[in-house]
Amino acid sequence: DAKTTQPPSMDCAEGRAANLPCNHSTISGNEYVYWYRQIHSQGPQYIIHGLKNNETNEMASLIITEDRKSSTLILPHATLRDTAVYYCIVRVGGSNYKLTFGKGTLLTVNP
Amino acid sequence: DSGVTQTPKHLITATGQRVTLRCSPRSGDLSVYWYQQSLDQGLQFLIQYYNGEERAKGNILERFSAQQFPDLHSELNLSSLELGDSALYFCASSFGGAGAQETQYFGPGTRLLVL
Repeated sequence: DAKTTQPPSMDCAEGRAANLPCNHSTISGNEYVYWYRQIHSQGPQYIIHGLKNNETNEMASLIITEDRKSSTLILPHATLRDTAVYYCIVRVGGSNYKLTFGKGTLLTVNP
Repeated sequence: DSGVTQTPKHLITATGQRVTLRCSPRSGDLSVYWYQQSLDQGLQFLIQYYNGEERAKGNILERFSAQQFPDLHSELNLSSLELGDSALYFCASSFGGAGAQETQYFGPGTRLLVL
């Protein structure tokens, strides 16, 4: 799987958009970008995933650059409950079975 | 709530003992995955079962074993426990067995403390 690079920590004001970057410069054409988050030792929570098009769901938006070497997870209106570690994961299509978690980004939403 | 359940939530035991962690996948999901999260190693994949059969192995110790039953629930057995086995153990499930579109949904975890 392609390696990902994320900043170790970020801050965001409550009510503002949180933009979490992820670099995956070695990504291959059949590799998906997945985002999970983990709130204080709870089970990781699936947020969103995409291949090359931008994606949006009720939780977040995922913006993938045209060359697919980086992506940004956007939480449009961050709340205190969005404080968590956010993991960007790249998964190859086909028979890949596991998720490889890195260290992620600790997002702290401040009042 | 992901729909994945795990029991027990907490487990305290002594070195050398054996414990069993249980996981019930989301309704309709055929795959179960086990992950271990320790302070120094982060989240690591241990093993996957698909419809009762072992599908893939990760960094699982020989002292650890798992199985998936006909009703699709899974158990992770940890034996000859050591202090270093203290960790959070998560179960995840997905509908299918493989593929990048198979989103895994995680349970709340079991916190194991070995004294």
